[in-house]
Amino acid sequence: NAGVTQTPKFRVLKTGQSMTLLCAQDMNHEYMYWYRQDPGMGLRLIHYSVGEGTTAKGEVPDGYNVSRLKKQNFLLGLESAAPSQTSVYFCASSPPSGVARELFFGEGSRLTVL
Amino acid sequence: SQQGEEDPQALSIQEGENATMNCSYKTSINNLQWYRQNSGRGLVHLILIRSNEREKHSGRLRVTLDTSKKSSSLLITASRAADTASYFCATNPNTGTASKLTFGTGTRLQVTL
Repeated sequence: NAGVTQTPKFRVLKTGQSMTLLCAQDMNHEYMYWYRQDPGMGLRLIHYSVGEGTTAKGEVPDGYNVSRLKKQNFLLGLESAAPSQTSVYFCASSPPSGVARELFFGEGSRLTVL
Repeated sequence: SQQGEEDPQALSIQEGENATMNCSYKTSINNLQWYRQNSGRGLVHLILIRSNEREKHSGRLRVTLDTSKKSSSLLITASRAADTASYFCATNPNTGTASKLTFGTGTRLQVTL
């Protein structure tokens, strides 16, 4: 059972380039999330989805777009990368069982924007 | 904005000792969760405590929650070198929506032989 898989694991971009991070989960979870982790700041929520075809903004959504065309996939896009988007990005998923939900995380995608 | 603040930021102990980490938060919560992150890896869920619970145990882990003080503590007993990691508290707001967890800045735990 793979759990939550993120691709790619590492990427270097130049300012202004675009890219997409892919998150796939095989646990049939309804909810999926994208977080970024920066030194000394913990994890901050970028966007999330409560089901196929739905997306919503988190705490730091600017500069990112997301799509949830299939239940198992959640894509995070950067249309015009900026150095401030250099970070480690984590995807997570959770089942909809009640309000108390633990998150299952992927291994992270390290993005550097030059 | 950060909801949780962990204390201390870093902790170094010897194997066999107990490790205590504290978390303070600002707004009301439905539950509070603790996660572990090994270097270069993703976060792994450790334990969840609901707002109506005061203490919870899981193996060598003991979590307490004081909603009046808006604080929680994680105790790891008889620590092992394998416990070396960063530990994060995460709060789930009292809104009934998806788990939009807000994470603290973490405590880096180093367990030496």
